[in-house]
Amino acid sequence: ETGVTQSPTHLIKTRGQQVTLRCSSQSGHNTVSWYQQALGQGPQFIFQYYREEENGRGNFPPRFSGLQFPNYSSELNVNALELDDSALYLCASSSEGVRETQYFGPGTRLLVL
Amino acid sequence: KQEVTQIPAALSVPEGENLVLNCSFTDSAIYNLQWFRQDPGKGLTSLLLIQSSQREQTSGRLNASLDKSSGRSTLYIAASQPGDSATYLCAGGVDNNDMRFGAGTRLTVKP
Repeated sequence: ETGVTQSPTHLIKTRGQQVTLRCSSQSGHNTVSWYQQALGQGPQFIFQYYREEENGRGNFPPRFSGLQFPNYSSELNVNALELDDSALYLCASSSEGVRETQYFGPGTRLLVL
Repeated sequence: KQEVTQIPAALSVPEGENLVLNCSFTDSAIYNLQWFRQDPGKGLTSLLLIQSSQREQTSGRLNASLDKSSGRSTLYIAASQPGDSATYLCAGGVDNNDMRFGAGTRLTVKP
């Protein structure tokens, strides 16, 4: 167990809806990164939050947004859901971004119908 | 743009065999190289992290090496066990706090 938790574990939405995924980082970690993993592929970087500020973003549209709270937990929000958004969403926490070991949560499986 | 490739995509070996998983990357400007294990439908478990200034790391039966000049990393698993069956992913830390992953090698160790 890494100490990183995510909720919910599974979610079913319909196209056009909005979704919020949550992540609690490991104790002592101030950095949370979010990834999208499609079936059979490696995770793709969405963005990173460091001390409540966005600190890097991958090639994802603005309808993917996030927040980090003072306790360093984080949310990923996706608006106007599309079928291709169906994936496993992973968050990872670390003490200093990608320069240190990333500890992943179990993920949230999102299905968009 | 950093591209990470893992070969082979799948590997099946008998229990007890030593094996090597390969990871190659196109841009040597990586901060580090990390190997992960992923069980079906689960999150990733970090196995080894090699900083850019290091050449290798070891943990138990696992040894990972990094050669930035050739753009390669290998994960060596000694005396494989059925419990080692999983997908193994490598990832390079790059600019913009991104981490670029390969698609993984699916390992099956047969009893």
